[in-house]
Amino acid sequence: LAKTTQPISMDSYEGQEVNITCSHNNIATNDYITWYQQFPSQGPRFIIQGYKTKVTNEVASLFIPADRKSSTLSLPRVSLSDTAVYYCLVGDEGSNYKLTFGKGTLLTVNP
Amino acid sequence: DAMVIQNPRYQVTQFGKPVTLSCSQTLNHNVMYWYQQKSSQAPKLLFHYYDKDFNNEADTPDNFQSRRPNTSFCFLDIRSPGLGDAAMYLCATSRSHQPQHFGDGTRLSIL
Repeated sequence: LAKTTQPISMDSYEGQEVNITCSHNNIATNDYITWYQQFPSQGPRFIIQGYKTKVTNEVASLFIPADRKSSTLSLPRVSLSDTAVYYCLVGDEGSNYKLTFGKGTLLTVNP
Repeated sequence: DAMVIQNPRYQVTQFGKPVTLSCSQTLNHNVMYWYQQKSSQAPKLLFHYYDKDFNNEADTPDNFQSRRPNTSFCFLDIRSPGLGDAAMYLCATSRSHQPQHFGDGTRLSIL
């Protein structure tokens, strides 16, 4: 499983776009990039998954450069309720059986 | 609608007294997982069931066991809880290698 590196914490304000970058220099050819969000006292929630270029859904976008050694989760116009820990995970489809969470990024959205 | 349901949300037990945590799902997913999450740490996989096949993580203590009587239910048994077993226990499900769906966890306290 490729190791991931994320900032420990980030601060933002309501209405801003927030970009959280994850480094995964040793990503393998078959690896996907997956992001989960976790609120206090709740289980992690799947946000988005991608392999290359750009993926967008109703809550976020995931940007993956051509070399795939990093990825950026983009949250448009954050609100106070987006304050949470965001985890970046990298692995092939088989690794979805063995999610290895890193330390994650604590995003704090301020009024 | 809750799809992965963990009961109870809070469980208190005595040191050394066996305790069972339960998880049920309405998603008809074939894979079910148990994670342990201690305060300010990332979730850590304990074991998972792929259909009826049990897969234990190498570093999961023998004190932790699991049962899956049918597709919908999975139990975590802690035979002799110690103070170090106080944590949030998260259940998750997936359809084969698809991203996992988590419950909101059971917070276990040991007296």
